[in-house]
Amino acid sequence: EDQVTQSPEALRLQEGESSSLNCSYTVSGLRGLFWYRQDPGKGPEFLFTLYSAGEEKEKERLKATLTKKESFLHITAPKPEDSATYLCAVRGSNTGNQFYFGTGTSLTVIP
Amino acid sequence: SQTIHQWPATLVQPVGSPLSLECTVEGTSNPNLYWYRQAAGRGLQLLFYSVGIGQISSEVPQNLSASRPQDRQFILSSKKLLLSDSGFYLCAWSVRADQPQHFGDGTRLSIL
Repeated sequence: EDQVTQSPEALRLQEGESSSLNCSYTVSGLRGLFWYRQDPGKGPEFLFTLYSAGEEKEKERLKATLTKKESFLHITAPKPEDSATYLCAVRGSNTGNQFYFGTGTSLTVIP
Repeated sequence: SQTIHQWPATLVQPVGSPLSLECTVEGTSNPNLYWYRQAAGRGLQLLFYSVGIGQISSEVPQNLSASRPQDRQFILSSKKLLLSDSGFYLCAWSVRADQPQHFGDGTRLSIL
């Protein structure tokens, strides 16, 4: 059973066109939801950690929010340099030391 | 600040050959260390993790093994590579299990 599902798989935006990426999860007893950015051929770069429903974190044009079943990564007025794959990972009370990663959303921002 | 190094960046190996990938972390002590494999279109798959020297936990039975000979050194090995071992291998570290994991830039392994 998939623990983390990300949607959409791919997203193309015009520069300045705001949108949201979704990460839904099914782990029991969430012990952290983590957002990463991954550029081609590179390792994931940590962006945010969210621990409880209602929590929000912001960094530049990115804002992450969390509910009891999903998280959103909102991208406001994106720029071409925001193009990357965004990964979501969760850790639950029954997952031990393991993070469960989604397959990511590939974002392309067109100038 | 903490940094993580992985090498080599790319590797092409014949089937049946041995493998050794190395990862080192600087700027922290007693980190949790992780090896992942990332296949195209799939999420990161945890292969091994370690909470201390000589302590290795395996998440997926396979052709690979891991060792942690020093506090900040993590090695991924194989005695005989299979075609199915091809992929992008990532090493990561964290302060604790509930803290964010920080990744190296990976090794692209191709098996011929």
